[in-house]
Amino acid sequence: DAGITQSPRHKVTETGTPVTLRCHQTENHRYMYWYRQDPGHGLRLIHYSYGVKDTDKGEVSDGYSVSRSKTEDFLLTLESATSSQTSVYFCAITATSGSPHEQFFGPGTRLTVL
Amino acid sequence: DQQVKQNSPSLSVQEGRISILNCDYTNSMFDYFLWYKKYPAEGPTFLISISSIKDKNEDGRFTVFLNKSAKHLSLHIVPSQPGDSAVYFCAAVNDYKLSFGAGTTVTVRA
Repeated sequence: DAGITQSPRHKVTETGTPVTLRCHQTENHRYMYWYRQDPGHGLRLIHYSYGVKDTDKGEVSDGYSVSRSKTEDFLLTLESATSSQTSVYFCAITATSGSPHEQFFGPGTRLTVL
Repeated sequence: DQQVKQNSPSLSVQEGRISILNCDYTNSMFDYFLWYKKYPAEGPTFLISISSIKDKNEDGRFTVFLNKSAKHLSLHIVPSQPGDSAVYFCAAVNDYKLSFGAGTTVTVRA
């Protein structure tokens, strides 16, 4: 167990509303990531963080923002949710042992935008 | 533009036989490759990895082969077991970021 949790696990919201997903880690890792998983696309990187207040965009960052004010928390915000953002969202952190590139994933958040 | 491709969306194999999953990539800057396994309603879990300077890595029933000239890697599972039924993702690393393939769903038949 890599000590990574996501909340909420499920959320249904309406188009145009703001949504914030939370990722919490207990491993004190520097790197944290947000992905979305959609059929036919695998997992795609939305944003990542390489330290407190240090974030950068991934390949599908449009419509999303992130914040990291503490090492343990990485927040993903949909400023105005759209139906195209219906997806399963995964948070990940880098491993401390084994491969330096290995990432541990949280259990996911299933988001439905109506 | 997908830089990592898994062209077989599904694979069915009999228990005890070999499963071979394939993955192709286009970016020559990738320096590490990983395979992940995913069950429904769970996050992906790491299986095995290989550095770009190697051509084979083995861990128990799992072996990953890398052919850099062809930009191709494969995962062999021998022997396949019912618990191996899952979605398998190939991923490639460049600058601490992972690029994933679309996944291959493996079904192991009794």
